[in-house]
Amino acid sequence: ELKVEQNPLFLSMQEGKNYTIYCDYSTTSDRLYWYRQDPGKSLESLFVLLSNGAVKQEGRLMASLDTKARLSTLHITAAVHDLSATYFCAVGWRQTTSGTYKYIFGTGTRLKVLA
Amino acid sequence: EAGVTQSPTHLIKTRGQQATLRCSPISGHTSVYWYQQALGLGLQFLLWYDEGEERNRGNFPPRFSGRQFPNYSSELNVNALELEDSALYLCANSRLALSKYEQYFGPGTRLTVT
Repeated sequence: ELKVEQNPLFLSMQEGKNYTIYCDYSTTSDRLYWYRQDPGKSLESLFVLLSNGAVKQEGRLMASLDTKARLSTLHITAAVHDLSATYFCAVGWRQTTSGTYKYIFGTGTRLKVLA
Repeated sequence: EAGVTQSPTHLIKTRGQQATLRCSPISGHTSVYWYQQALGLGLQFLLWYDEGEERNRGNFPPRFSGRQFPNYSSELNVNALELEDSALYLCANSRLALSKYEQYFGPGTRLTVT
């Protein structure tokens, strides 16, 4: 069964600092997604990474994917308070036996940016 | 293009009652996924419907059920409600014919069981 682990689970950082959130997964996949969730709200799609070495950037967030290491990172540059949210990675995975396509979510990283 | 919509926004029920949650997909998106997110926790996969059929379900008891209609909208039914069913229920759409398989989430229904 595919497992997806994120770390850290909680992250408190000062404005202006940089940090990286890691997403490890346990089996082959070539689709990885990053989402943002504000408290009490739904999930907002941030990035879709489809191939090994893919890198995408939007504002102060940059996501990358290494399918060989089964690792994705979400890098935060010069954090600002508005980035405070919970960030989820999700791995897309097709079961070879049944052909079923699954999305497995990481546990989430709760980010708090302090002024 | 309208996004994924869910109704109701909030739902309050008592133990033992039944709850019905609804999801209307983005036009042309045939797959509907249901997730449960208990307070402070991650997303737990509940059900996946595609082209009107249940394709997969997560590790939830049979009192969680649903269906998908010909217009691809979906219902999630939870019978014999228990306190621990209180959670945010999220519906997501995707269109598996597209290579990205990207999911689009609705705003969620917050179910409170008292």
